[in-house]
Amino acid sequence: ETGVTQTPRHLVMGMTNKKSLKCEQHLGHNAMYWYKQSAKKPLELMFVYNFKEQTENNSVPSRFSPECPNSSHLFLHLHTLQPEDSALYLCASSQGGEGGSGANVLTFGAGSRLTVL
Amino acid sequence: GQNIDQPTEMTATEGAIVQINCTYQTSGFNGLFWYQQHAGEAPTFLSYNVLDGLEEKGRFSSFLSRSKGYSYLLLKELQMKDSASYLCATMDSNYQLIWGAGTKLIIKP
Repeated sequence: ETGVTQTPRHLVMGMTNKKSLKCEQHLGHNAMYWYKQSAKKPLELMFVYNFKEQTENNSVPSRFSPECPNSSHLFLHLHTLQPEDSALYLCASSQGGEGGSGANVLTFGAGSRLTVL
Repeated sequence: GQNIDQPTEMTATEGAIVQINCTYQTSGFNGLFWYQQHAGEAPTFLSYNVLDGLEEKGRFSSFLSRSKGYSYLLLKELQMKDSASYLCATMDSNYQLIWGAGTKLIIKP
């Protein structure tokens, strides 16, 4: 266990389904992130929450909806997805805030592999 | 624009040394990270460089030249378990991480 747990690890859904990805961290971190990882592409930052406040939304389509009820839990709600949304979705956490390396080192979960049919 | 370049794939032999290069162009610079990601697993932090020079951690070393926009990760005494993808990322002036596409390292016996 890396300290960041993601469920489910694998998800197959149709384009009309609604599902949610869950992330939980036990590290006492204050920042949580959603990233999309596609084969042979750089990690794409989707959303950032710092102290439960959303601080980044990188032009992500509205069919992806994040929720951060507290500093330990992060959700990604999915609805009416497209086949091109199939990817590995990684959750990460960090100490939070700006500054040096300690605040910005990310601890990742193992990811949720999403397939949209 | 902001850009990170690293080779897509490299192959090396068990017991040998391999150097994975990363070049970058970013708006401002607040350090460079290397992460290791085994297939199907979480990326894990390897190193952080913000000053020029070489940082050594056991079999792994990371080098930075800010004037050249260049870093490398050096892996010595390669083991089969080092087969993984290695991700380079820089932090820009807004403390945003800019990621490379990763280098898949294949270790052969």
